[in-house]
Amino acid sequence: DAKTTQPNSMESNEEEPVHLPCNHSTISGTDYIHWYRQLPSQGPEYVIHGLTSNVNNRMASLAIAEDRKSSTLILHRATLRDAAVYYCILRDGGSVGGGFKTIFGAGTRLFVKA
Amino acid sequence: DVKVTQSSRYLVKRTGEKVFLECVQDMDHENMFWYRQDPGLGLRLIYFSYDVKMKEKGDIPEGYSVSREKKERFSLILESASTNQTSMYLCASSLLADPARIGNTIYFGEGSWLTVV
Repeated sequence: DAKTTQPNSMESNEEEPVHLPCNHSTISGTDYIHWYRQLPSQGPEYVIHGLTSNVNNRMASLAIAEDRKSSTLILHRATLRDAAVYYCILRDGGSVGGGFKTIFGAGTRLFVKA
Repeated sequence: DVKVTQSSRYLVKRTGEKVFLECVQDMDHENMFWYRQDPGLGLRLIYFSYDVKMKEKGDIPEGYSVSREKKERFSLILESASTNQTSMYLCASSLLADPARIGNTIYFGEGSWLTVV
């Protein structure tokens, strides 16, 4: 199973950009890269995903390396509400019937300073 | 709005008790998951189900079983609770992925905090 590696924690100042890295050197050709975040006392929520091209949405941007062995989640202007654990995961395929396992690691805890 | 509902937010059970954690989703999703979350260990997959009555073991199935009698409901069962099963349990669901592994959003419930004493 392809795995991801993320730093345990990162710190940012409010209103500044944040770049959260993720390494996935064993990614397979059709694995999608997903990012989720978990706010305190809540379940994780979807942030963004991509395959090969960089992606943008209202929450964040995702930059994917050309060889797909790493990616970076970019929060353009961090706010106190962005303090959370961020998970980089790969969608891992297939059991019989088309289902799949999804493996989460420990994630990166982002601290945002006012 | 999509919704994954876990029946109990906080439970306290005694060692040896049988514990049921219930999860319901209203999105007609084929896939449902149970994770447990412990400090420093992230989310670990216990079981998942890709269809009614179908289940597969995740990374840590020992001491747990699951039931999926209806599409919208996925239950986690601790046959004989032990103190090392004290944890936060998260249920999740997603649409059926096709063999090409297209990107697909997972929706989580708010979590159930279980304490076994």
